[in-house]
Amino acid sequence: RKEVEQDPGPFNVPEGATVAFNCTYSNSASQSFFWYRQDCRKEPKLLMSVYSSGNEDGRFTAQLNRASQYISLLIRDSKLSDSATYLCVIPGFQKLVFGTGTRLLVSP
Amino acid sequence: GAGVSQSPRYKVAKRGQDVALRCDPISGHVSLFWYQQALGQGPEFLTYFQNEAQLDKSGLPSDRFFAERPEGSVSTLKIQRTQQEDSAVYLCASRPDRFSTDTQYFGPGTRLTVL
Repeated sequence: RKEVEQDPGPFNVPEGATVAFNCTYSNSASQSFFWYRQDCRKEPKLLMSVYSSGNEDGRFTAQLNRASQYISLLIRDSKLSDSATYLCVIPGFQKLVFGTGTRLLVSP
Repeated sequence: GAGVSQSPRYKVAKRGQDVALRCDPISGHVSLFWYQQALGQGPEFLTYFQNEAQLDKSGLPSDRFFAERPEGSVSTLKIQRTQQEDSAVYLCASRPDRFSTDTQYFGPGTRLTVL
C-alpha cells in the first residue's frame, strides 16, 4: 500500500459548487498533515496545515480522521481560480511524502 | 523577498549526456531538499541537506544521481549518462528550521527532457 493515496480525478464542478477530496495514509503515527496546491507547470504551494482534528481557512476546510486514517479537503463556493491539482502531503522524517494529487477543474 | 530559484528552467538532453541542475535556496534556510516529479505524479523525495551535510540520499534512484551543497547554500543535482526515464521536473525546496512547524518552500523546478 502506498504511504499516501488520493483519487487522481479530475473532478469537474461548476462555479459555486462544493467539492471534497479525500486522502488516505498508511502511517498511523503521522501527527501532522498538509494540503498543497499545484497549478499547471508551477511549483507546489502550501494551502493548509492540519495538526489536530481539522483546520478552516475561508472557503477551505481540512478535516482529519485518525481512526480511519484519512484527511479530507472541502472547498465551498468554488471559483474558477480554484482549478489546480491538490496534493495531500504527510511529513516523513525530514522529508515530505506526497500523494499523486487530485485535479480539480472548475467551469463557468 | 526572493524565493527559491532554480536553473535552468528547461533542459533537453540526449540520452547518455550528463546534466547539472542548480538550486538557490532562500537566504538563511538551513535545510534543502530535492524532489523528482514525473508527469501525473506527486513529487518524490530524492535527497536532503542540512547546511552542507547530505543527511539522507535514500531517494536517489541510482548511482547516476549525485547531489552536493558544498558551502551550505547553493546546491547542484547532477545526473550522469541520462536515460529517458530521468525525464521529469526536478524540484528544489528549502526550509528555515527556526521552528518545528516550518514547512518547505519550493522553487519553480527544472523540466528535464531526455531524448
